[in-house]
Amino acid sequence: NAGVTQTPKFRILKIGQSMTLQCTQDMNHNYMYWYRQDPGMGLKLIYYSVGAGITDKGEVPNGYNVSRSTTEDFPLRLELAAPSQTSVYFCASSYSVADQETQYFGPGTRLLVL
Amino acid sequence: AQSVTQPDIHITVSEGASLELRCNYSYGATPYLFWYVQSPGQGLQLLLKYFSGDTLVQGIKGFEAEFKRSQSSFNLRKPSVHWSDAAEYFCAVGATDSWGKFQFGAGTQVVVTP
Repeated sequence: NAGVTQTPKFRILKIGQSMTLQCTQDMNHNYMYWYRQDPGMGLKLIYYSVGAGITDKGEVPNGYNVSRSTTEDFPLRLELAAPSQTSVYFCASSYSVADQETQYFGPGTRLLVL
Repeated sequence: AQSVTQPDIHITVSEGASLELRCNYSYGATPYLFWYVQSPGQGLQLLLKYFSGDTLVQGIKGFEAEFKRSQSSFNLRKPSVHWSDAAEYFCAVGATDSWGKFQFGAGTQVVVTP
C-alpha cells in the first residue's frame, strides 16, 4: 500500500490564482481530512469527509473548497489564493469504526502565495 | 468543544537521558488521545493512542504515555532518548461525540544533544 499520497510537493502561487491540492489514499478509509500547519502552530482542520459525497467544515474552512466523489480521492481547492494561505497542507485518512480512528498522514504540500 | 495544550514549546535533552512531554486536554467526556511525531519535512507518524482501558499505553520507538483523568493529562515519556528522537511532537484529542474532529496541540520541539 502506498498509504496517503499528496501532489504536488511544493507550489508557488500568485495572489488570486487558483489551484487544487490532490490527495489519494489506498487503504479504503471512509474518513479523510485536510489540515494546514503554520510555523510554530499545531495542525488546524480545514475540511473533513466521512465518506464519498459527504463533507463538512473544520476549524478554518474559509477560502477553501473540497469534494469527495470517490472513497480514494479528496482534493482541496483554493479559488483565490491569498498570502494568508501560505502554509504546509496535510491530508490524512482514517477508518470510521470506533477504536480504529487512527489518522494516517500524507507527506504534505508546501504552498507559497506571493 | 475539545482543546489540547502542550505547555512546552521547546525541550533540550541529552542523549541517554529520560524525556517527558506534557499534554493537557479539555473535554467533557472521555476523549480519544494521541501522540504523533513529525520529523523535519515529513508528515506525522502515530506514536501511540488511548481510547479506553489500561491508562498506561505503549507505543512505537520505546515511547509510552499515561492517561490521568484527574489531571486531564496524557504525558509522553521515554526512558532513554536517542539522537533520532529529535523531532516535533504533537498531542491530539478526538471527541467521542463529534466523530472526525481532531484538535492538535501546538507541538513540542525536542532537541537531543550529545
